[in-house]
Amino acid sequence: EAGVAQSPRYKIIEKRQSVAFWCNPISGHATLYWYQQILGQGPKLLIQFQNNGVVDDSQLPKDRFSAERLKGVDSTLKIQPAKLEDSAVYLCASSFQGGELFFGEGSRLTVL
Amino acid sequence: ILNVEQSPQSLHVQEGDSTNFTCSFPSSNFYALHWYRWETAKSPEALFVMTLNGDEKKKGRISATLNTKEGYSYLYIKGSQPEDSATYLCAFRNDYKLSFGAGTTVTVRA
Repeated sequence: EAGVAQSPRYKIIEKRQSVAFWCNPISGHATLYWYQQILGQGPKLLIQFQNNGVVDDSQLPKDRFSAERLKGVDSTLKIQPAKLEDSAVYLCASSFQGGELFFGEGSRLTVL
Repeated sequence: ILNVEQSPQSLHVQEGDSTNFTCSFPSSNFYALHWYRWETAKSPEALFVMTLNGDEKKKGRISATLNTKEGYSYLYIKGSQPEDSATYLCAFRNDYKLSFGAGTTVTVRA
């Protein structure tokens, strides 16, 4: 069974530039999560989708971050414009009916 | 934001020794407690999903206990091996949201 796919694995950008991350969850998993993990901290939920609807985006900085899950399958997370404090690992995960999360390998963002 | 605390933040263990560490979480609106292992350069992987007070789960040399009334879970590693070196994350789920602790980073010295 294919796992959660994420790309790119690494991205380095200048502040004020934009970046987009892509995630393809495990087939059949209705719930998709985007987490931000800053060094030394636990993963922080940015947004949770159930199919193509948003369940929770309370911690998503909506002035610069956006996410979509058109057709309820793969998802993109965009940051525009990026700030230095956005340097982090962006983890995508999916789950089936609220069970354990299956994570991708993450996208490491460095903002200079 | 749900307050999930893990302690200690990091620990070093001699190969062959046993160790344990704690996750504390809100004792209200409990739905499940997850444990994940996150090895360097890999994806976090689920170890346990625990749902009942008093649950004890075991996978090889790793086991976990759960006390939902007082809001804590322990993870135990028996006879630590170098391959156990990782960050161990716990996550608390209420009726709809899963919130992670900051993790305990375990380094096993040969």
